[in-house]
Amino acid sequence: DQQVKQNSPSLSVQEGRISILNCDYTNSMFDYFLWYKKYPAEGPTFLISISSIKDKNEDGRFTVFLNKSAKHLSLHIVPSQPGDSAVYFCAARMKTSYDKVIFGPGTSLSVIP
Amino acid sequence: GAVVSQHPSWVICKSGTSVKIECRSLDFQATTMFWYRQFPKQSLMLMATSNEGSKATYEQGVEKDKFLINHASLTLSTLTVTSAHPEDSSFYICSAQEPNQPQHFGDGTRLSIL
Repeated sequence: DQQVKQNSPSLSVQEGRISILNCDYTNSMFDYFLWYKKYPAEGPTFLISISSIKDKNEDGRFTVFLNKSAKHLSLHIVPSQPGDSAVYFCAARMKTSYDKVIFGPGTSLSVIP
Repeated sequence: GAVVSQHPSWVICKSGTSVKIECRSLDFQATTMFWYRQFPKQSLMLMATSNEGSKATYEQGVEKDKFLINHASLTLSTLTVTSAHPEDSSFYICSAQEPNQPQHFGDGTRLSIL
């Protein structure tokens, strides 16, 4: 049972345009959401996060939007750059004694020059 | 800041041997460390969570005796794959975390069992 879903396995975007990566979750107990970026044969790199009490968080070219009622979040990258090409994982944290994080299956983003 | 070093990055060994993977937080004290496994084109699957000085908490379906985790200090955790077999071949990734901060990941270890 997948608690964090990323329904698009891949996405292609032209350089300079906006990339929108989507994520849906099922567990209302998640209190914190994160996006990670991963290049092949490397570990994920933290990008941006959002608390469940907010609906938007912005950091440079990256903005994360959270719609709690729809259990949906999205990552916007604008403008997209070729170096943004990577796999993006959406992750959700459930507040336990160990801050357990559940990862989605990832979306592979290709930014075409 | 927040650098996590994982070693080795790649290991090939014969079936039946044990393999130890180290995970170190280089510039912060990690109260919690996590071990993940990733199959090709799939997401990261949490195997276990460890707090310094206490026993690891394993996820359902992960064999404790197969995957031994030690978190002896605030900067080091080790994962030992005991009596490894070809089905244990995978990409193993650790992460380390300070309280109330995001997890920071190592670069992973590709384990190939012949």
